[in-house]
Amino acid sequence: AQTVTQSQPEMSVQEAETVTLSCTYDTSESDYYLFWYKQPPSRQMILVIRQEAYKQQNATENRFSVNFQKAAKSFSLKISDSQLGDAAMYFCAYYSGTASKLTFGTGTRLQVTL
Amino acid sequence: NAGVTQTPKFQVLKTGQSMTLQCAQDMNHEYMSWYRQDPGMGLRLIHYSVGAGITDQGEVPNGYNVSRSTTEDFPLRLLSAAPSQTSVYFCASSDRRGPRNQPQHFGDGTRLSIL
Repeated sequence: AQTVTQSQPEMSVQEAETVTLSCTYDTSESDYYLFWYKQPPSRQMILVIRQEAYKQQNATENRFSVNFQKAAKSFSLKISDSQLGDAAMYFCAYYSGTASKLTFGTGTRLQVTL
Repeated sequence: NAGVTQTPKFQVLKTGQSMTLQCAQDMNHEYMSWYRQDPGMGLRLIHYSVGAGITDQGEVPNGYNVSRSTTEDFPLRLLSAAPSQTSVYFCASSDRRGPRNQPQHFGDGTRLSIL
């Protein structure tokens, strides 16, 4: 079974600074997709960014970008120019294309300070 | 503009009671799933469905039943509630290609407490 590990339970960043959240995964599959989801205090799950395993280019969405290291099975999220609204739980997730299942990591709580 | 609707938002049950958590989507999505979220454990997949009449087990299916008689609805049944099932439950949907190509649309969650 696939596992997703987020080794940072909590992170803190000052407003306007850059922070990187770590995620590693374990799989023997070749067909998979990786995601970062944001969960603010409202509890709503919001997709931040998505990466196809077959693509070498790192995904970017405005201030959010990933560092996808396929051989190392690493998928980190970089948030640039952090804003107060970025404060939330961030979950890394793995989707198996063959099993049609989404597996989440345990999450990283991000605090943004003034 | 409803998206994924979960009811109820909060529920308190006694051990041994049964209940059904409702999930409905109005986007004609074929893929629907149920997760539970516990502190420090992230979201774990309970059951999922790739279309009407088709369901399959996820990571933690024990104690839960699902059915998918229509595309719109995907109810989750607790057969005999146990304190270990105290959690926040999320329903999610995406189109027939599953979460790979489309973001999953999540409901707002149901907070369930079993006494």
